[in-house]
Amino acid sequence: QKEVEQNSGPLSVPEGAIASLNCTYSDRGSQSFFWYRQYSGKSPELIMFIYSNGDKEDGRFTAQLNKASQYVSLLIRDSQPSDSATYLCAVNPRSNDYKLSFGAGTTVTVRA
Amino acid sequence: DAGVTQSPTHLIKTRGQQVTLRCSPKSGHDTVSWYQQALGQGPQFIFQYYEEEERQRGNFPDRFSGHQFPNYSSELNVNALLLGDSALYLCASSPGRQKTQYFGPGTRLLVL
Repeated sequence: QKEVEQNSGPLSVPEGAIASLNCTYSDRGSQSFFWYRQYSGKSPELIMFIYSNGDKEDGRFTAQLNKASQYVSLLIRDSQPSDSATYLCAVNPRSNDYKLSFGAGTTVTVRA
Repeated sequence: DAGVTQSPTHLIKTRGQQVTLRCSPKSGHDTVSWYQQALGQGPQFIFQYYEEEERQRGNFPDRFSGHQFPNYSSELNVNALLLGDSALYLCASSPGRQKTQYFGPGTRLLVL
């Protein structure tokens, strides 16, 4: 079983719509969760992090964490063509573990 | 405020050769992690350096080694290169024990 799983996509949404990305993780003790955006040929860029159950909003982005169900999601509201990228979910397993475990990423295409 | 920097940006080597990649962390950060990202996959954790010591290591062979200098910069060395080592090598920095990591632009290595 993979540590972190994401739907690979591609996820195609019209401009102005909401893009919804999901991520599940296998280690129930995981404590820190991150979303990174990666444009083609570039390195990952941190969008958001979340530690507690519930929602966390930052501009057009909302991260949602449900530890009981072991999933974390990212909503992109009012999607723009510039949001077209691969979104990587990353999990830090435990407090004494320093690595980030990444999913393979979900590719999002926003249609103008 | 300078972000994470890496050098070189691109590198071409042949099988069996050795390579050294370099990273300078973001200002104020003292921890450096290295990741390997193959095409179409998420980054895979190689190791992390803190206080000039390897704090944690991922599932990579001993051909991969590293070093951290007193100014917190770091090197990744790969010996006896294989074709499968062709990838984007990412350096990420973080402050102390914080789990949030910020990535540099990466070094793209091609092994022929």
